[in-house]
Amino acid sequence: AQKITQTQPGMFVQEKEAVTLDCTYDTSDPSYGLFWYKQPSSGEMIFLIYQGSYDQQNATEGRYSLNFQKARKSANLVISASQLGDSAMYFCAMREGGTGGFKTIFGAGTRLFVKA
Amino acid sequence: GAGVSQSPSNKVTEKGKDVELRCDPISGHTALYWYRQSLGQGLEFLIYFQGNSAPDKSGLPSDRFSAERTGGSVSTLTIQRTQQEDSAVYLCASSLAAGVGYGYTFGSGTRLTVV
Repeated sequence: AQKITQTQPGMFVQEKEAVTLDCTYDTSDPSYGLFWYKQPSSGEMIFLIYQGSYDQQNATEGRYSLNFQKARKSANLVISASQLGDSAMYFCAMREGGTGGFKTIFGAGTRLFVKA
Repeated sequence: GAGVSQSPSNKVTEKGKDVELRCDPISGHTALYWYRQSLGQGLEFLIYFQGNSAPDKSGLPSDRFSAERTGGSVSTLTIQRTQQEDSAVYLCASSLAAGVGYGYTFGSGTRLTVV
């Protein structure tokens, strides 16, 4: 069965510093995708970054990078040079290619607070 | 349209009443998903539609919940005989296709309050 675990309910980071948000997953399907979404206080869900299970390199999108450690089944999000606008809830998510039926499951989320 | 549109944005209903929530996905997106997010919680999968295939209803919490997607576009989530535990934000998302690499575009959600 699919499972996503985010062990940090809340994180604080100083503006302009880097922060890592943890995510571990569990699947027996060799084909899967890993995603991170941001949910500001306004409520909308914003897609940030994607990593495929067969991708050899870690995904990067601007200040976001995904530290993909396949053997450890971890997909941590790294935000470099934090900004006040990064304060939000962050969700890690996974989608399996086979028996998962292509639905995406989400972790419980990590709330990030960026301090000025 | 340019984004995923959900209506209404807010709905207050009395316990026992039926409600309908609407989702209009991005034009051309073949996959459509409904999720529920209770206050301060993560997203709970409800149902997924892909093209003309039978929907994946595995996440619907009870037979009071149903959804349909007409013409491969607009979807309606219906909750019959609403209960207070149904209060949540209902999020709709669409994606270009259903493969592992396709991220979602979410709507702004419908906040349902059952009183």
